[in-house]
Amino acid sequence: GAGVSQSPSNKVTEKGKDVELRCDPISGHTALYWYRQSLGQGLEFLIYFQGNSAPDKSGLPSDRFSAERTGGSVSTLTIQRTQQEDSAVYLCASSSVVVGSPLHFGNGTRLTVT
Amino acid sequence: GENVEQHPSTLSVQEGDSAVIKCTYSDSASNYFPWYKQELGKGPQLIIDIRSNVGEKKDQRIAVTLNKTAKHFSLHITETQPEDSAVYFCAASAGNQFYFGTGTSLTVIP
Repeated sequence: GAGVSQSPSNKVTEKGKDVELRCDPISGHTALYWYRQSLGQGLEFLIYFQGNSAPDKSGLPSDRFSAERTGGSVSTLTIQRTQQEDSAVYLCASSSVVVGSPLHFGNGTRLTVT
Repeated sequence: GENVEQHPSTLSVQEGDSAVIKCTYSDSASNYFPWYKQELGKGPQLIIDIRSNVGEKKDQRIAVTLNKTAKHFSLHITETQPEDSAVYFCAASAGNQFYFGTGTSLTVIP
């Protein structure tokens, strides 16, 4: 497809379980971002990947959160030992290498921790 | 780091009226300012953007203005329609990092 694809679109998990969220960026986009959006709130930056550079992990809220990007394309955000406060929409965005290019967002994964 | 403030948080207008959303930023290094529209259950979608070498940009009913000296930028929607109802986010960017405002929930009353 032409846009950013995220899966699953919805995920319900029990507290304490691990979850993996997937992001397929737009082909050719070297920059990839993860954001978290709690109900009715703004966009909280989590992590940023740019090409083969070390990722900017400065937004990850705890060591239970991690992300990887394999082959410079698909990214996976992993949350270990989920807590109820992790419930949110997790948005992925990608952009081209050109500075000042806009972010293109996927429709997000809605995570509910029961 | 950059700090982006957005006002108002909620806005209701009558169909056909104009809507204005304002943002301020703190880092003079920011040079790219996109605006996003987010409909329920969807990701934010880019609607217009402006770079720091431009003071105003217009696309049909939507316009954005930028005052670099005051570090203000605004979104203007004219002749509002019910389908304009959504949450709007401003952002400021320097390099590859983006800083978002907290969003404005716009309701257009038919």
